[in-house]
Amino acid sequence: QKEVEQDPGPLSVPEGAIVSLNCTYSNSAFQYFMWYRQYSRKGPELLMYTYSSGNKEDGRFTAQVDKSSKYISLFIRDSQPSDSATYLCAMGNTGNQFYFGTGTSLTVIP
Amino acid sequence: GAVVSQHPSRVICKSGTSVKIECRSLDFQATTMFWYRQFPKQSLMLMATSNEGSKATYEQGVEKDKFLINHASLTLSTLTVTSAHPEDSSFYICSARVGGQGAIYGYTFGSGTRLTVV
Repeated sequence: QKEVEQDPGPLSVPEGAIVSLNCTYSNSAFQYFMWYRQYSRKGPELLMYTYSSGNKEDGRFTAQVDKSSKYISLFIRDSQPSDSATYLCAMGNTGNQFYFGTGTSLTVIP
Repeated sequence: GAVVSQHPSRVICKSGTSVKIECRSLDFQATTMFWYRQFPKQSLMLMATSNEGSKATYEQGVEKDKFLINHASLTLSTLTVTSAHPEDSSFYICSARVGGQGAIYGYTFGSGTRLTVV
């Protein structure tokens, strides 16, 4: 079983829609949860960072962690064409070993 | 914010030759850098952890003699793909941890290097 599971998509939504991206994981010891955005042929950039359970909001982005279900989500409100990218979840327990999802490809259609 | 500069962004080399990829932390000291490999539509796979002043730690299945890592200073880590073969063609990305022990942190990534071996 993979440490992190993420639906690769592709996901296509109209501009202005609410986008929900999700990851599940198997290791209950994970405490650090991150979402990265990766544009084509570029390195990932950190979007959101959450420690332990709960919600975190930053502008149009909301990250949720449900440790009881081993399930994390990233919501994008009022999606824009510039949000079109691959979104990677990442998580881990200690400082060095983090596990990445395969990434979900998102296209926001104008 | 913390920036990691990675060069080159794209390289094409002949089979059997070696290629060096550099990663520099521009405005912070990175005692530890991580090297990843990413195939199309696949996740980032950690290859090795590079520690300044000491030998790199390689993940299982990664050939140490093929992927040479040097972390000679607090701001520079290099990955050399030796005797490259077409199957080494991939997207290589470095990253560094930002923040200290117990602090909130994440990874800062380089922009990646697209290696094509012909």
